[in-house]
Formats: sequence, structure tokens, C-alpha cells
Amino acid sequence: KAGVTQTPRYLIKTRGQQVTLSCSPISGHRSVSWYQQTPGQGLQFLFEYFSETQRNKGNFPGRFSGRQFSNSRSEMNVSTLELGDSALYLCASTLGLSGELFFGEGSRLTVL
Amino acid sequence: AQKITQTQPGMFVQEKEAVTLDCTYDTSDQSYGLFWYKQPSSGEMIFLIYQGSYDEQNATEGRYSLNFQKARKSANLVISASQLGDSAMYFCAMRELSTSGSARQLTFGSGTQLTVLP
Repeated sequence: KAGVTQTPRYLIKTRGQQVTLSCSPISGHRSVSWYQQTPGQGLQFLFEYFSETQRNKGNFPGRFSGRQFSNSRSEMNVSTLELGDSALYLCASTLGLSGELFFGEGSRLTVL
Repeated sequence: AQKITQTQPGMFVQEKEAVTLDCTYDTSDQSYGLFWYKQPSSGEMIFLIYQGSYDEQNATEGRYSLNFQKARKSANLVISASQLGDSAMYFCAMRELSTSGSARQLTFGSGTQLTVLP
């Protein structure tokens, strides 16, 4: 059974650009959530989607957005990148709304 | 206020010995879940063990066990017979559940870097 797949694994952008990250959940999982991990702030929740609907949103500016498609794949977008957006972005999927979260390997974003 | 507290930024353990990683949590909810994840240098968060707030028995998964003390709000991870491959960052996390069954997001602690010495 394939795990959570995130693409791209590594990327470098410059300030002001925008980026889109993709996450394919484990087959059959309908909930996808996103987390940002930085050395200073640790792991912080971005948002969670279930059946194409955003169910929870963390305390991030509107530059951070996401969506989920009918096949449960999810994308997150960050516009007008800032240096502080450099981080490991982790996607997790779960079968229902309260089960264990299974994480992907993350997308490591560097903003120059 | 911190919801998840891991007071040990770093821990060392000799190979084949047991080690306990501390975690305390804060919630006013009756229904919640506690998780431990392992993050090696590659970045992936690997699920280790889960304890529900209503579970009366401590969770165990192979060499991992969770010492759940509800009254003290602690959920320490015990790794028995440490192996070199256990060297990684370990995160304790909590997911609170509403009465309707829907869950809030996972809240993570700051992590404990475990180093297993040969």
C-alpha cells in the first residue's frame, strides 16, 4: 500500500514568487492536513481538508491557501514568498476525522 | 499556554538499554488522542504509537510502549532495547476530539532528539 506522496521533495524559490505543493494521500484516506515545520516555530498546523472541504485552518496569513480534489489529492499554495516561509511542509492523511495521521516525507522549501 | 510539553531537548542512551521520553499535555477535553512520532533526518514523520484518553490499558507496539498517567496528564514514551536506528527526533502530539466525533488538528511538542550510543 503506497504511503503519502508529496511533490516536489525539494525546491528553491526567491522572495515574491509563489509555490504550489502537492500531496497524494494513502488510498482510501479522505482527510488531508498540512503542517509547516521550522527550527524556530516547530510544527505548526496549516489546514485540514475532508471531502474537498476545509475543516480547520491554522493561524497563517492569507498567502497560504489550499484545496482538495475529488480524488482526495491536495495542494497548498503560498503566494508572495517571504524568507520566513523557508520550511519543511508536511502533509498527512487519515482515514476518517479522528484516526492516526500518516505523514509524507515532506517538501523542503528554501526561499532566497 | 503550551498544550504539549517535552522537557528533554536531547537524550542519550546506550544501545540495548531502555529509555523514557517525557511528555505532558494540557487539555480540558475529556476525549482526546495522544500520539508519538519519530522523525529521522530524512524528514518523514513516522507514526509510532497511539493512546486514546478512554483507553484503560497502556498502548504497546513492539519495542514502544506509552506510559499513560491520565491524572498527571503525562504520556511518556518508553523504548526498550534501544537500537542505533532509533536515533532521531521524537515528537509527542495530541488531537482533541469534540463530542460530535470531529477532531481538531494535531498539536505537537517541541521534540526530543534521541541519540543511541554504540
